[in-house]
Amino acid sequence: QSVLTQPPSVSAAPGQKVTISCSGSSSNIGSNSVSWCQQLPGTAPKLLISDNNKRPSGIPDRFSGSKSGTSATLAITGLQTGDEADYYCGTWDNNLNAVVFGGGTKVTVL
Amino acid sequence: EVQLLESGGDLVQPGGSLRLSCAASGFTFSAHAMSWVRQAPGKGLEWVSAIIISGNTYYAGSVRGRFAISRDISKNTLYLQMNSLRAEDTAVYYCAKAARFTSDFDYWGQGTLVTVSS
Repeated sequence: QSVLTQPPSVSAAPGQKVTISCSGSSSNIGSNSVSWCQQLPGTAPKLLISDNNKRPSGIPDRFSGSKSGTSATLAITGLQTGDEADYYCGTWDNNLNAVVFGGGTKVTVL
Repeated sequence: EVQLLESGGDLVQPGGSLRLSCAASGFTFSAHAMSWVRQAPGKGLEWVSAIIISGNTYYAGSVRGRFAISRDISKNTLYLQMNSLRAEDTAVYYCAKAARFTSDFDYWGQGTLVTVSS
């Protein structure tokens, strides 16, 4: 059971938009910045969003992040087949003194 | 160019020990928090341990008391000493560099496989 809650899967047709939610509590998302990473099949994770909504260099603006209260959201617009991957949210938890991840969301392009 | 190269993964019996290493290059090693993150076969990411700039260390509850994270700044190398290994420790172990915050991992290694089995 992950500390952060994500939907197991989301799907949409090419060109459409998907959103992935990440729900936490006041001790984690409510107090700290959230990051999102993408893991393509058979590869190491890759940072997509840091500090709630900042894209590292090279990440297309089709990917965006937001945070409100104890929840965060990753949005992917103009969905492409190459976006099929697992997506994870993560943050620090002040009570656990630990990094916590969501369980991951598999994005499928129909 | 930032590079993280893990090594040390192996097949080990339950109760055994193993030390993982992560050779870092391309950035000021002492100026960033570093973590170990693992992924069991077919499962999600699980954070294991972190060492921050001050040298303070943090552990997931599942490994506290069994695993120890350390670093050698002179060698730009991160370590994870794993003792009393259990079958549930079987996973690919990634070394990850923190960007601004301890949980913002901007670079990851390719991973090293640890299998705990008799």
